[in-house]
Amino acid sequence: DGGITQSPKYLFRKEGQNVTLSCEQNLNHDAMYWYRQDPGQGLRLIYYSQIVNDFQKGDIAEGYSVSREKKESFPLTVTSAQKNPTAFYLCASSMLGGGQPQHFGDGTRLSIL
Amino acid sequence: QQPVQSPQAVILREGEDAVINCSSSKALYSVHWYRQKHGEAPVFLMILLKGGEQKGHEKISASFNEKKQQSSLYLTASQLSYSGTYFCGTENNAGNNRKLIWGLGTSLAVNP
Repeated sequence: DGGITQSPKYLFRKEGQNVTLSCEQNLNHDAMYWYRQDPGQGLRLIYYSQIVNDFQKGDIAEGYSVSREKKESFPLTVTSAQKNPTAFYLCASSMLGGGQPQHFGDGTRLSIL
Repeated sequence: QQPVQSPQAVILREGEDAVINCSSSKALYSVHWYRQKHGEAPVFLMILLKGGEQKGHEKISASFNEKKQQSSLYLTASQLSYSGTYFCGTENNAGNNRKLIWGLGTSLAVNP
């Protein structure tokens, strides 16, 4: 079955540590997205990518970094510069072009130790 | 500009109807509707494209009023499984450089 796989489901970060969240899709989608969701809040865009080796900052990119070396993969690194990383992180993908639905992974819940 | 969803929360008894609105101050190309249950990923419901289209998904339907830049999601004869938070995502232009701007969500609780 095609879909998006995020791992791990739960992640704990120590002070000063960088952590990487994995996102893999086998839907052959060109576009991939990372969102952050805080309790009772909507989805805020961190980074998105529409083609391999290219990505754009979203609304809250500070303290995060991404790479897109393969079409299927779009890992997100939460760096030590992100002072408040505790949140639910969602990865999504879609076909290019307007009016295309986004398909979401099951999310990674990141907490501070 | 973030779309405004209303109401913020709704409590229904099973079998009752509800309407959730999503309004934007900018001209919209499309409106996307998703439902998210607690601790889970959002699930796609439907997309409305500009042109006043109306769509349906089982007992859930939606409309898009281009003049008002507003979409409404209609839930009829609600079921317990409809509980969750409903988000609209809006797209302001067509083409490949697309980002969705999300509303803050409407919490829907359906009780027996």
